[in-house]
Amino acid sequence: QQQVKQSPQSLIVQKGGISIINCAYENTAFDYFPWYQQFPGKGPALLIAIRPDVSEKKEGRFTISFNKSAKQFSLHIMDSQPGDSATYFCAATSGSRLTFGEGTQLTVNP
Amino acid sequence: EAGVAQSPRYKIIEKRQSVAFWCNPISGHATLYWYQQILGQGPKLLIQFQNNGVVDDSQLPKDRFSAERLKGVDSTLKIQPAKLEDSAVYLCASSLDRFPVTSTDTQYFGPGTRLTVL
Repeated sequence: QQQVKQSPQSLIVQKGGISIINCAYENTAFDYFPWYQQFPGKGPALLIAIRPDVSEKKEGRFTISFNKSAKQFSLHIMDSQPGDSATYFCAATSGSRLTFGEGTQLTVNP
Repeated sequence: EAGVAQSPRYKIIEKRQSVAFWCNPISGHATLYWYQQILGQGPKLLIQFQNNGVVDDSQLPKDRFSAERLKGVDSTLKIQPAKLEDSAVYLCASSLDRFPVTSTDTQYFGPGTRLTVL
């Protein structure tokens, strides 16, 4: 019930392309859905987040799409850049407990 | 503002030895978390403190792991004795958490301590 499933495990995109990472959850008690970005040797850092009463949130090149009925949400990175190469984690929160997905290693080729 | 500080950054020990990690959260943050991140996986919560009280330690292997947060600021996580499967990055995070605690309070992570158990 606490699991958040994430796909794909790895993703290679050309510079300027669109990166799409998908997540699904089961626990309806989750009430906040953040995405974290992690560079090698660093801790995860909050990238963007969405509440379940909103279907889409955009911040610059990053957009979250949220489908409450399907219990799915996704991260879209538009105009992907080599500097976006990192591991991305979707997560879901219930109270203050954060449950992470397994992560997607994104590589953006120049 | 200064971020979450952790030390050491790297630690290599033999199995059955003990090890301790230290965390200094962002000033003023009431809530402190310890996570375990095994290579290729997402972080998993081990323990959560609100000030110096434990809020959630349901996923902490209490037979070998212990943690404390004295005076509601710094925290230490100890493993005794270590097993091979404890090899992971141990992340500390903190959040401001105005009362009551809400899901939207951002957790800020430190750089982690990479533990290798041989």
